[in-house]
Amino acid sequence: QVQLVQSGAEVKKPGASVKLSCKASGYTFTSYAIHWLRQAPGQRLEWMGWINGGNGHTKYSQKFQDRLTITRDTSASTAYMELRSLRPEDTAVYSCARQGVPSINWFDPWGQGTLVTVSS
Amino acid sequence: DIQMTQSPSSLSASVGDRVTITCRASQGISNYLAWFQQTPGKAPKSLIYDASSLQSGVPSKFSGSGSGTDFTLTISGLQPEDFATYYCQQYNSYPLTFGGGTKVEIK
Repeated sequence: QVQLVQSGAEVKKPGASVKLSCKASGYTFTSYAIHWLRQAPGQRLEWMGWINGGNGHTKYSQKFQDRLTITRDTSASTAYMELRSLRPEDTAVYSCARQGVPSINWFDPWGQGTLVTVSS
Repeated sequence: DIQMTQSPSSLSASVGDRVTITCRASQGISNYLAWFQQTPGKAPKSLIYDASSLQSGVPSKFSGSGSGTDFTLTISGLQPEDFATYYCQQYNSYPLTFGGGTKVEIK
């Protein structure tokens, strides 16, 4: 079955970077986009961006444009999300999700989520 | 950005009840709306896409309707596993945005 497995929880200091992974299985990685999203405590879900698993094209939310990079390794069927210049308000659960069909911009399935804590 | 407003934010219902959750977009989004379910400790689960299309494997007790700015998710015959938080999400335009969630609790 289609599955996305994310890397483990991270604790970072303000100003640092974090790079999370999302390993896909059960489908052809290069045929679908992978999205990254996050939910901070008590806040709404936020969409961060996506990467085309085939050609590597990316689309980012303007909110994160300056400090976000999404990449992928097709040989490992894995997508990565790097967020730089972390602030305490970046503390959140970060999730990856495969694109839906036919529109690429809904999500199915989702990864299990990764908690990132930013604290001095 | 398109604002998505869900109501109610929470509701109490009994096993077997039928519940309806509404989602309103701040501007027209055609039928580019998805619904998903989240239970504590589990990954979110997609239920509905394109406002009314049932995702594969999702039971038919879930149904969605609407177009433009007003949408509904209806759950018929609530079962214990349906007590969860439900979210709407628009994908008419970037950035993709979400409703604030509706928590369905056991009465």
